[in-house]
Amino acid sequence: AQSVAQPEDQVNVAEGNPLTVKCTYSVSGNPYLFWYVQYPNRGLQFLLKYITGDNLVKGSYGFEAEFNKSQTSFHLKKPSALVSDSALYFCAVRDQNTGGFKTIFGAGTRLFVKA
Amino acid sequence: EPEVTQTPSHQVTQMGQEVILRCVPISNHLYFYWYRQILGQKVEFLVSFYNNEISEKSEIFDDQFSVERPDGSNFTLKIRSTKLEDSAMYFCASSEQASGGNEQFFGPGTRLTVL
Repeated sequence: AQSVAQPEDQVNVAEGNPLTVKCTYSVSGNPYLFWYVQYPNRGLQFLLKYITGDNLVKGSYGFEAEFNKSQTSFHLKKPSALVSDSALYFCAVRDQNTGGFKTIFGAGTRLFVKA
Repeated sequence: EPEVTQTPSHQVTQMGQEVILRCVPISNHLYFYWYRQILGQKVEFLVSFYNNEISEKSEIFDDQFSVERPDGSNFTLKIRSTKLEDSAMYFCASSEQASGGNEQFFGPGTRLTVL
């Protein structure tokens, strides 16, 4: 069965500092991995994804994530946080081998960036 | 930029009543989805829909739920007899292609309140 864990309910970081939002996953086959962001009263917005190839993927708004197969992790990172990055971040996984489109989301991590 | 739209933004209903939540996916997308997010909890997959039939559904999606694409643009979720525990934010999403690596584009959501 597929699952996603985001071990931190909340991450606090000062503006200008690097940020990391952690995600680990479990699938029976190879994963498709995604990060989405949710601002208040809005739907989820796609940030980036890992399909295959280079383990470091770059996405919107300066975010990047590193796929680590041995640690089954896909942590979201940004070198320099902005106050406007404050939002709820969801990691998601889909199993490449199931052939379906069921996407499993983590519980979300709330990011607070302090000025 | 094309976007997924949902109506209404907020629906209040009495327990036992039927509700229909409406979505207009991005026009060239082929796959459609419904998710729900109970307040403060994770985003949960309900159903995916392709070629006018359900391609996958979760255990949440029981006989009380149904989906339909009544015309070329709308995609609806019907709950036949609402329960208190159906109160949640319901998100519609769509994706472009058959590849499971395609990201999904989410609508702003419909907040359903069952009294």
